[in-house]
Amino acid sequence: EAQVTQNPRYLITVTGKKLTVTCSQNMNHEYMSWYRQDPGLGLRQIYYSMNVEVTDKGDVPEGYKVSRKEKRNFPLILESPSPNQTSLYFCASRPLAGTQETQYFGPGTRLLVL
Amino acid sequence: AQTVTQSQPEMSVQEAETVTLSCTYDTSENNYYLFWYKQPPSRQMILVIRQEAYKQQNATENRFSVNFQKAAKSFSLKISDSQLGDTAMYFCAFMKHEGHNAGNNRKLIWGLGTSLAVNP
Repeated sequence: EAQVTQNPRYLITVTGKKLTVTCSQNMNHEYMSWYRQDPGLGLRQIYYSMNVEVTDKGDVPEGYKVSRKEKRNFPLILESPSPNQTSLYFCASRPLAGTQETQYFGPGTRLLVL
Repeated sequence: AQTVTQSQPEMSVQEAETVTLSCTYDTSENNYYLFWYKQPPSRQMILVIRQEAYKQQNATENRFSVNFQKAAKSFSLKISDSQLGDTAMYFCAFMKHEGHNAGNNRKLIWGLGTSLAVNP
């Protein structure tokens, strides 16, 4: 089954404790992206990747890091989480070229930073 | 910069009836894509329907259809025969067309959503 998976689905942590949210897709998509969803602000892009070893900042990259060492994986790293990073996070992927323009979303990761 | 506006924060409809959700957008692009995503209480983001701007025919997917008015920059979603499982947050989203350039971000630009409740 074609899918995007994220882990963990729920996470409670404390300020300053490094964490990683994993994202994996099995569709051989080149493009992957991270969004955060906040009430009243909608979804905003954090980082994106066009392919292996090619990443770039989105609209709200501060406090986050990403890596793309393999095509299928695109982890989101919070080196020193703060309470304002409490949010719902989505990973998404799509092919880079061709006629299929739809982004496929993971199930979301709900993060609470105390 | 592109923007997407959903003017109805909340709506409700009786089961089996029809409801229309509004979406307007602002762009100077001529080629682009528009999407409606559904987010049920599970928080999963599910694609409902997509429309290519260069296609004049309105997209349909079973009980879901759109009214795409390119000149007015309007992209409304009609849900026919509403079902209890349609209760969700609905998001309208915009994405630029790639053209011949496969190297740009082309992120999704999102509206703030419409919360739809289907009542029995």
